[in-house]
Amino acid sequence: DQQVKQNSPSLSVQEGRISILNCDYTNSMFDYFLWYKKYPAEGPTFLISISSIKDKNEDGRFTVFLNKSAKHLSLHIVPSQPGDSAVYFCAASEGGATNKLIFGTGTLLAVQP
Amino acid sequence: DAGITQSPRHKVTETGTPVTLRCHQTENHRYMYWYRQDPGHGLRLIHYSYGVKDTDKGEVSDGYSVSRSKTEDFLLTLESATSSQTSVYFCAISESQDRGHEQFFGPGTRLTVL
Repeated sequence: DQQVKQNSPSLSVQEGRISILNCDYTNSMFDYFLWYKKYPAEGPTFLISISSIKDKNEDGRFTVFLNKSAKHLSLHIVPSQPGDSAVYFCAASEGGATNKLIFGTGTLLAVQP
Repeated sequence: DAGITQSPRHKVTETGTPVTLRCHQTENHRYMYWYRQDPGHGLRLIHYSYGVKDTDKGEVSDGYSVSRSKTEDFLLTLESATSSQTSVYFCAISESQDRGHEQFFGPGTRLTVL
């Protein structure tokens, strides 16, 4: 039973345009959400996060939006650059002593020059 | 970059053989995790550690065991490897369980079980 879902396996956008990656979750106990970026043959790297007490967090070109009522979050990348081409994983945590993360299946973003 | 190394980076083994993967950190972080990444499944937690000699199971722990005898090393052992354990394995570390403390990942180990 997938608690964190990324329903789009892939996304292609033009350089300079906006990329929007989506993530849905089912567990209402999740209180912290993160996005990771992964290049081939490398480990995932942390990108941006958001607490459930917020509905938006921004860091440069990256903005994460959280809609708790819909159990939905999205990552916006503006403007998209070819170097953003990677797999993006959404992850969620329900807190506790171990900070375990539940990951989605990932979305492959391709930014076309 | 967080100081995390994994060894070996690549390994090919045969069904039924034991395999041990090593994760080494230089950050002195308390928490360490082992994940596997498979197409269509994302990253799934195998085992984690919340201190020296303190470990617990994740969502896909069957067929795996772990050990942590010192802060910097977290070992993942496949007692008798099976083809279903062919995967890419990632180690991660985290400073604390407080909110905002993301996990930092190692470069991964690609394991092929023939």
